[in-house]
Amino acid sequence: DGGITQSPKYLFRKEGQNVTLSCEQNLNHDAMYWYRQDPGQGLRLIYYSQIVNDFQKGDIAEGYSVSREKKESFPLTVTSAQKNPTAFYLCASSLNYQETQYFGPGTRLLVL
Amino acid sequence: KQEVTQIPAALSVPEGENLVLNCSFTDSAIYNLQWFRQDPGKGLTSLLLIQSSQREQTSGRLNASLDKSSGRSTLYIAASQPGDSATYLCASLSGGYNKLIFGAGTRLAVHP
Repeated sequence: DGGITQSPKYLFRKEGQNVTLSCEQNLNHDAMYWYRQDPGQGLRLIYYSQIVNDFQKGDIAEGYSVSREKKESFPLTVTSAQKNPTAFYLCASSLNYQETQYFGPGTRLLVL
Repeated sequence: KQEVTQIPAALSVPEGENLVLNCSFTDSAIYNLQWFRQDPGKGLTSLLLIQSSQREQTSGRLNASLDKSSGRSTLYIAASQPGDSATYLCASLSGGYNKLIFGAGTRLAVHP
């Protein structure tokens, strides 16, 4: 089964804690993306990676960090510096940046 | 800076109606325009991608058009069904052609 997976489905963060969201794809895509979605709003780009070992900041990168050590994996860490982390986080991948993006099922992050 | 707007924000129609969802963008220098569907609490599913050199794309009961000169795209849904109920988002590939800019979406409800 080819696709893109995200885990966990729900994640709870305590004050001052860093948490990591997982994103894995077996589509052999070069490009991967992280988006944040707030209620009633469109998606906003956090980070993207066009190739292994390289990534770029998106529009709202402050308080987040990523790594791209393997082609199939692009984890996102929400650091304690992100003061309003409650949102729905979506990971996507594409063959390259010009092609259709395929999305995972999302992770909902809540603050305790 | 590219801005993408979708009108209306919400739409409720009886089953069987043909309907049109609108998407406008401020910068006509786009590489492509994409339409997605999102069910509540889920990730996005790609519906149609229109390259900047194309005028329209069709998939089943869906037809998307693109008019770069006026900065508009429309998604036409023929013979709507309750299963079409979802949020529909459009996105333009812009910003040096390496990131999608999303609209806030149109929430569609098709009632029997």
